Amino acid sequence: DGGITQSPKYLFRKEGQNVTLSCEQNLNHDAMYWYRQDPGQGLRLIYYSQIVNDFQKGDIAEGYSVSREKKESFPLTVTSAQKNPTAFYLCATQPMGGANVLTFGAGSRLTVL
Amino acid sequence: EDKVVQSPLSLVVHEGDTVTLNCSYEVTNFRSLLWYKQEKKAPTFLFMLTSSGIEKKSGRLSSILDKKELFSILNITATQTGDSAVYLCARKSSGDKLTFGTGTRLAVRP
Repeated sequence: DGGITQSPKYLFRKEGQNVTLSCEQNLNHDAMYWYRQDPGQGLRLIYYSQIVNDFQKGDIAEGYSVSREKKESFPLTVTSAQKNPTAFYLCATQPMGGANVLTFGAGSRLTVL
Repeated sequence: EDKVVQSPLSLVVHEGDTVTLNCSYEVTNFRSLLWYKQEKKAPTFLFMLTSSGIEKKSGRLSSILDKKELFSILNITATQTGDSAVYLCARKSSGDKLTFGTGTRLAVRP
């Protein structure tokens, strides 16, 4: 069935390690987004991509990287340069045109020890 | 910076109560305002508001936008424990960028 799959759901890493969070969608949506959610701060945009092989920085891109080699996939790498990586990460997709409503994945919780 | 401010930050009510959640925003390049409900993980879409003064309704939930005063409210009548969640408000500006508020955490006690 159609949807957004984020993996892993939970991830523990040591400081200084890069980690990659997966986001796969079979909704045939053009745009994909990565948000970070911290307690008391709502959702903040990290990166987004509106077409394959193109992506733009969001409000808090420092310490993160992405790629968009396929329409279905938009992986997020949390690098060692990210000062405070422990957070809940949400991937979302959006079709072009129409109501432009975001559909969210179930999220990945990253804890850096 | 485009800000979206939600209030209250958290709220505890009893089943059957009516609640009103508030969302105020800054006006730059405004296109629409959206409400989402986040129960455990993935936020789910509730409403999108583009026109002032037109109420959108879905069951016990309703929402309205005031573009002059730059705010929206989400009302939930006859609350149930299943309404317990974080309610997120987001403003869409040109370029389809969404700016989210901090959310209101609602707890409905039996």
